Amino acid sequence: DQQVKQNSPSLSVQEGRISILNCDYTNSMFDYFLWYKKYPAEGPTFLISISSIKDKNEDGRFTVFLNKSAKHLSLHIVPSQPGDSAVYFCAASSRYGGSQGNLIFGKGTKLSVKP
Amino acid sequence: DSGVTQTPKHLITATGQRVTLRCSPRSGDLSVYWYQQSLDQGLQFLIQYYNGEERAKGNILERFSAQQFPDLHSELNLSSLELGDSALYFCASSPSFSGGRLGETQYFGPGTRLLVL
Repeated sequence: DQQVKQNSPSLSVQEGRISILNCDYTNSMFDYFLWYKKYPAEGPTFLISISSIKDKNEDGRFTVFLNKSAKHLSLHIVPSQPGDSAVYFCAASSRYGGSQGNLIFGKGTKLSVKP
Repeated sequence: DSGVTQTPKHLITATGQRVTLRCSPRSGDLSVYWYQQSLDQGLQFLIQYYNGEERAKGNILERFSAQQFPDLHSELNLSSLELGDSALYFCASSPSFSGGRLGETQYFGPGTRLLVL
């Protein structure tokens, strides 16, 4: 039972254009969402996060949007650069209860930005 | 560089064997987390230790165990290994015990790739 779903295993975008990575979740108790980026042979690195009390958070070229009613969030990268090519993981957490307090990850979306 | 170190980088072993993976957290971080990433899977949370004590348990098999030592480094022990245990094992650390609660960022190490033949 996947609580965090990234339905697109891969995405290819032209350099300079917008990349939009999507994530859906099922657990309405999730109250914090994070995006991690992973390059080959490296561990995931934190990119950006958003609390459930907000619907948008921006950091430079990266913006995360949260639609609580749809249980959906998205990561926008504008403009996309070849160095953004990586696997992007969506993760969620809840302040309530046991191991659910820890991060629940999606399976990731591999982004390829072509020059 | 996240500041989290993991050894070894690669490990090849046979079914039925036992291995130990080691993790050193970032300086000052008290929590250590272990994750498993199998082929085509997201990261699965295994277990969290905070300041030497087990804090939370996820999808960790009974054949697996972990501990955190007084110097805060952690070891993940995998025993009676099966082919399906082949995966990337990541360690992460964070300053406090909150895990993912309140959005505390976890910093990941480079991982140990385990291959069971």
